[in-house]
Amino acid sequence: NAGVIQTPRHKVTGKGQEATLWCEPISGHSAVFWYRQTIVQGLEFLTYFRNQAPIDDSGMPKERFSAQMPNQSHSTLKIQSTQPQDSAVYLCASSPAKSSAETLYFGSGTRLTVL
Amino acid sequence: QQKVQQSPESLTVSEGAMASLNCTFSDGTSNNFRWYRQHSAKGLEVLVSIFSDGEKEEGRFTAHLNRANLHVSLHIREPQPSDSAVYLCAVKRRSNNRIFFGDGTQLVVKP
Repeated sequence: NAGVIQTPRHKVTGKGQEATLWCEPISGHSAVFWYRQTIVQGLEFLTYFRNQAPIDDSGMPKERFSAQMPNQSHSTLKIQSTQPQDSAVYLCASSPAKSSAETLYFGSGTRLTVL
Repeated sequence: QQKVQQSPESLTVSEGAMASLNCTFSDGTSNNFRWYRQHSAKGLEVLVSIFSDGEKEEGRFTAHLNRANLHVSLHIREPQPSDSAVYLCAVKRRSNNRIFFGDGTQLVVKP
């Protein structure tokens, strides 16, 4: 079991460019979560999928952020027209989601730096 | 919106001395609590989960939950330098799957 795999580990973009972050959940896990971590804000919830369907995207900045889960083996987080304030570590987590008590298993994150 | 606050912000203990971390939350309907550990530049590792008042032990890690006081704590027995990391409290409400994290406690264990 390789755990949750996130790629790339580091990404540097120029202001205004697009960034796409990838997440491969643990095989068999039906829930996928995206979080953003900064020193100032800590861990912030962005969005959550269950069985590939978007369930809660209330944490997503509406204008430039989007997330998809086209199949059960990967999810993407896309940031259009990146801004310096988007610089953060983006963490993906998956869960078996068999019950509401299931643990989240986190990937190592993608560190996004917007110059 | 759930507020989760951790204290202290940072804690330094000597190897072998008990380390105690605190977490308070604002939503009394919360029913799912976890402590995670994050080593520098790595993902989060779950340490212990607790769902009812009382105590839950996982190896050297013990969580205490008192929902009436909106408080959950983590005690680390015989901490080692390899336990130096950021410890995060995670709280989930009964009503949905949103999980709220505290800002973390930076633990340093000196040899």
